[in-house]
Amino acid sequence: EVQLVESGGGLVQPGGSLRLSCAASGFRFSDEYMDWVRQAPGKGLEWVGRTRNRGDSYTTEYAASVKGRFTMSRDDSKSLMDLQMNSLKTEDTAVYYCVRVLFASYSGWYFHLWGRGTLVTVSS
Amino acid sequence: DIQMTQSPSSLSASVGDRVTITCRASQGISHYLAWFQQRPGKAPKSLIHAASILQSGVPSKFSGSGSGTEFTLTISSLQPEDFATYYCQQYNSYPLTFGGGTKVEIK
Repeated sequence: EVQLVESGGGLVQPGGSLRLSCAASGFRFSDEYMDWVRQAPGKGLEWVGRTRNRGDSYTTEYAASVKGRFTMSRDDSKSLMDLQMNSLKTEDTAVYYCVRVLFASYSGWYFHLWGRGTLVTVSS
Repeated sequence: DIQMTQSPSSLSASVGDRVTITCRASQGISHYLAWFQQRPGKAPKSLIHAASILQSGVPSKFSGSGSGTEFTLTISSLQPEDFATYYCQQYNSYPLTFGGGTKVEIK
């Protein structure tokens, strides 16, 4: 079964750090781009960042709101992707989803499968 | 950044109704437009990519169209499981951006 499972969420104080993980199964993880998307309570979806595959040198992209504070990494041997979040702010409170991104020649790199998400609460 | 504007922000409809949601991009994005469904308390689900291509397993009552700056999602015959919030997303350029969502409620 193709699956994404996020973990690592919890309560953290402003200025603190947290590391989220996304465990993938059922597909060839090393071939895919992987993204993080977040959703603040009662709000819409916000793209956080992307890690490309080995073929594209594992390069990353980030939203301006998290650039310099968040870092994405991946371990293809374990089918794992991480999101290291530093200098957390109250506005980072959200459910964080990892997303599998597929490629097709006409479609480009498009979102395919979402995990169930993990809640991060930044509060004193 | 490309702004994505959905309309309406909410709508009330009955089972069996045909529903259309519009998504406009602040600049041309070719066909790099996706639609997602999110039921209450659940993760989003991918419905459509490349403006009109259904994801595997998505029923054919969902359809998408458009290119450039204007796109539509149509649900041909609403069923109880279709009452949810729908989001569009452009993936033509970074940062990827989403519309504000359209909540489809039961009349």
